Amino acid sequence: GQSLEQPSEVTAVEGAIVQINCTYQTSGFYGLSWYQQHDGGAPTFLSYNALDGLEETGRFSSFLSRSDSYGYLLLQELQMKDSASYFCAAPLYGGATNKLIFGTGTLLAVQP
Amino acid sequence: DVKVTQSSRYLVKRTGEKVFLECVQDMDHENMFWYRQDPGLGLRLIYFSYDVKMKEKGDIPEGYSVSREKKERFSLILESASTNQTSMYLCASRSRDRGRANEKLFFGSGTQLSVL
Repeated sequence: GQSLEQPSEVTAVEGAIVQINCTYQTSGFYGLSWYQQHDGGAPTFLSYNALDGLEETGRFSSFLSRSDSYGYLLLQELQMKDSASYFCAAPLYGGATNKLIFGTGTLLAVQP
Repeated sequence: DVKVTQSSRYLVKRTGEKVFLECVQDMDHENMFWYRQDPGLGLRLIYFSYDVKMKEKGDIPEGYSVSREKKERFSLILESASTNQTSMYLCASRSRDRGRANEKLFFGSGTQLSVL
């Protein structure tokens, strides 16, 4: 089967650093994406890692280790507005088609 | 701004009704998707389409069908709605092209469907 596993909830305080992990089991792995979803809103794209290593975009960074089938999203200088659900996702390609499968999501609560 | 528009934000239907959820994108994307989102289960793929009139089943297609008559429009159909189809439905689109620049999936705002 194909699956992406994440912790269900993470809590952190404003100004801190938090890491949200994602372990995956997929056939034909191409890369790992991260999406943010605020309560009642649509998921929005944050990052994509195709290669091993760390990708930085402002306060957010994403890491991938293919050998460990593992990735994480790192959020620095946490702000209250970062309270949201975070999903990792992996594309699956097959012929002319491709689709994205998602993890179950991690609810991040940022406390003052 | 690129946009994926879902026709209804909230919908209430009765068991047994035929339900149509509409999605329109303005980015000329080949690929369109329907997901449902339930607490603790993440986003699960119902159906996707990679071109006009082309469709493929996702992970949970039972009880659903889809229609893609035009490139910009992808419809999800519940032939006979049941209470276990109460959920948030999310439409999304992306380019067919592979590569880092095209990995971004664009989502609509979602339709919260309640089947009574």
